[in-house]
Amino acid sequence: QVQLVESGGGVVQPGRSLRLSCATSGFTFSNYAMHWVRQAPGKGLEWVAVISLEGDKKYYADSVKGRFTISRDISKKTLYLQMNSLRSEDTAVYYCARWRDNFDSLTGFRHYYFDHWGQGSLVTVSS
Amino acid sequence: ELVLTQSPGTLSLFPGERATLSCRASQSVSTSYLAWYQQKPGQAPRLLIYGISNRATGVPDRFSGSGSGRDFTLTISRLEPEDFAVYYCQQHGSSPTFGRGTKVEIK
Repeated sequence: QVQLVESGGGVVQPGRSLRLSCATSGFTFSNYAMHWVRQAPGKGLEWVAVISLEGDKKYYADSVKGRFTISRDISKKTLYLQMNSLRSEDTAVYYCARWRDNFDSLTGFRHYYFDHWGQGSLVTVSS
Repeated sequence: ELVLTQSPGTLSLFPGERATLSCRASQSVSTSYLAWYQQKPGQAPRLLIYGISNRATGVPDRFSGSGSGRDFTLTISRLEPEDFAVYYCQQHGSSPTFGRGTKVEIK
């Protein structure tokens, strides 16, 4: 079955860096765009970044643009999030999520949604 | 920027009751792009509904989605104990956006 397993979270001081990994299995990794979504303690979900199937297109939320970098290693079936210049407001559980592009032949509509999520990795930015 | 407003913030109901959750978009949303997720404490979100009204694999038929344009609804016909959770609507325009969630709690 589809599995997404994040790792790399922890406590880090403001201004430092951290890299999250999301190891995948149970599906053809290169066939799906992948996202990072975060959730601050007691708050809602916030989209962070997306990477295309081949890894050539990357988009970021304004809140992390210029500081975070999303990447993927097809051979290792792993998604990454390099987080630099971390701030206290980056404290959150970070989820990797698979993006489903689902064409419904009956209606002709193409549906987009997050169909699988990892269990999350907690990042705490604190001095 | 598209904003999704969910209401109410908290819904207090008894098991067996019907739950009606609302999600209003600041502008019209494509039929293809509206989804609902369920999140329980300490767990990752779980896909319930995509394309406004399509149930994801394994989702019980007591969950249903409806709506069009700017107004969307998630209905749980008869609440089971495992349904008490937070529910988020989500759309995909230039980037994915989530509502702030509705907490369904036991009365």
